[in-house]
Amino acid sequence: GESVGLHLPTLSVQEGDNSIINCAYSNSASDYFIWYKQESGKGPQFIIDIRSNMDKRQGQRVTVLLNKTVKHLSLQIAATQPGDSAVYFCAESPLPNYGQNFVFGPGTRLSVLP
Amino acid sequence: GAGVSQSPSNKVTEKGKDVELRCDPISGHTALYWYRQSLGQGLEFLIYFQGNSAPDKSGLPSDRFSAERTGGSVSTLTIQRTQQEDSAVYLCASSFDSSGQPQHFGDGTRLSIL
Repeated sequence: GESVGLHLPTLSVQEGDNSIINCAYSNSASDYFIWYKQESGKGPQFIIDIRSNMDKRQGQRVTVLLNKTVKHLSLQIAATQPGDSAVYFCAESPLPNYGQNFVFGPGTRLSVLP
Repeated sequence: GAGVSQSPSNKVTEKGKDVELRCDPISGHTALYWYRQSLGQGLEFLIYFQGNSAPDKSGLPSDRFSAERTGGSVSTLTIQRTQQEDSAVYLCASSFDSSGQPQHFGDGTRLSIL
């Protein structure tokens, strides 16, 4: 897929502040959305998911918001910590979610400043 | 195991050689995916296995690429006559099924073709 790769959008936040990472999706038929965190040299790590019948879901220090009207997904991280520094990307899929139905976003690099 | 396991973690080989990459999914997961992540690119879908169904091979970039999944568990991705453009991180993911369950990724195999 399309990606800005090494020139990923970067979000820099102060330690302890809240972070908001955004993702625009294109397929109005998408029913299932996932946020992943990828640290250098590691595989993507599942953070939180949400289905299209919801507009908000909360986890531990994270909240995902879904706005189907404008096809927008966001990930909010409360009290950002140095360990949150990573690339974050969203994935979307209609249901059932299989094979190439999953579309992954290019990612946003989160940098936490001390 | 507790997570998706991939081996080797790193592979360096000469152009023209064949390579085999292994993925051991989470026990009980019926769906298995292979992706390629190149420097400067997002996740590229390669192949998908679901239970005993015929795999979705639509993402394989050429006939030099093949994959199999034995006994509904371990999967092997084979690249024949490797080319320099095959250099990338190859990621495997598994999910419980395809009804809105997240994919869980391994840490990948970093393949370098000299």
